[in-house]
Amino acid sequence: IAGITQAPTSQILAAGRRMTLRCTQDMRHNAMYWYRQDLGLGLRLIHYSNTAGTTGKGEVPDGYSVSRANTDDFPLTLASAVPSQTSVYFCASSGTPGQGRDEQFFGPGTRLTVL
Amino acid sequence: KQEVTQIPAALSVPEGENLVLNCSFTDSAIYNLQWFRQDPGKGLTSLLLIQSSQREQTSGRLNASLDKSSGRSTLYIAASQPGDSATYLCAPNGGGGNKLTFGTGTQLKVEL
Repeated sequence: IAGITQAPTSQILAAGRRMTLRCTQDMRHNAMYWYRQDLGLGLRLIHYSNTAGTTGKGEVPDGYSVSRANTDDFPLTLASAVPSQTSVYFCASSGTPGQGRDEQFFGPGTRLTVL
Repeated sequence: KQEVTQIPAALSVPEGENLVLNCSFTDSAIYNLQWFRQDPGKGLTSLLLIQSSQREQTSGRLNASLDKSSGRSTLYIAASQPGDSATYLCAPNGGGGNKLTFGTGTQLKVEL
């Protein structure tokens, strides 16, 4: 069982380019999340999805979009990357919030550098 | 807005010591709280999840306590080992969609 996989592992991107970070989970979790981790700021929630077909905004959603076409996949898109989006991005998943299966599990992360 | 503080920011101890990591949060209206460890360059590994109705949760050498009314949680590590060296993060869950708020962590080094 792989758990959560993320791709790519790392990427260097020119400013203004479009980029999609991929996330797939095989735990049949209903909820999925995207966080970014920056030195001194900790992890911050970008977007989340409580179930397939629905998404919501987190603390720092500007410049990012997500979709949730099915249970397993939750891609994060940067439409036009800027240097301030240089960060480590983590995808996470959990059971349905509020039903006693709230523990979140994290993927290995994608290190993104925008030049 | 929930704010999470973890003290100390860094800690270095000799192998075998029992130690306590502290976490405080400003909004006590939480649903649960999760403790993670993060190794350098890696993702987060969930250690313990403690529900708001619980006061303690144990897993092996780890024990997490929660005092929701005072906005505090502690992670107790018994008989520390070099393999425990990592950054430890606490994250209270404010509910409304399982939104975790993270502290900046305690960086632990256990020396031989």
